[in-house]
Amino acid sequence: GAVVSQHPSRVICKSGTSVKIECRSLDFQATTMFWYRQFPKQSLMLMATSNEGSKATYEQGVEKDKFLINHASLTLSTLTVTSAHPEDSSFYICSARDLVQGTLNTEAFFGQGTRLTVV
Amino acid sequence: GQQVMQIPQYQHVQEGEDFTTYCNSSTTLSNIQWYKQRPGGHPVFLIQLVKSGEVKKQKRLTFQFGEAKKNSSLHITATQTTDVGTYFCAGPGRGSTLGRLYFGRGTQLTVWP
Repeated sequence: GAVVSQHPSRVICKSGTSVKIECRSLDFQATTMFWYRQFPKQSLMLMATSNEGSKATYEQGVEKDKFLINHASLTLSTLTVTSAHPEDSSFYICSARDLVQGTLNTEAFFGQGTRLTVV
Repeated sequence: GQQVMQIPQYQHVQEGEDFTTYCNSSTTLSNIQWYKQRPGGHPVFLIQLVKSGEVKKQKRLTFQFGEAKKNSSLHITATQTTDVGTYFCAGPGRGSTLGRLYFGRGTQLTVWP
């Protein structure tokens, strides 16, 4: 299957600083990428949909000014957590679907996830 | 966003016992997907069901899609310790959210040897 690479896998930052997480699709062009947040032993909460060359679409309740998403190319999307606070500590996962092939019947390929700890 | 309900949240079984997780949607789904997330890992695609009443098998795993395309189940026969992990169902968005996947809360399976 397709490969999605996410970096870094773990990051510890100080409160008030910003952290950038990268998500790359290695062997297909991901016109659309998705960013999820997962709390311990809980489900994947969709934060935003990242579309190449356009602004991201955020889910209700997600602060777009805090979670900056950029999708500058067909293989790279970034999530920047700005002015991080301890409550932002979580597991962030990106995923990509090859929506050019068919919108509904394609699986999602996930990155390895990023464990963010804000101290 | 769209909600997909999944039960139970946790399931503890002894190795060799069967396991089932159920997924329900209030709206008709065009398809449903199942993923497995091992402890400390990321979700990995297992299967997709598209047709009403569809049943698919992968070795000891049996996946079903309801006739009304609103519910689905995953059944594991004779669980093994390698089955440990969280199993998620996911349904697609509708209308303006088409293309997105919305996940159930998952069922965390623990298998005792």
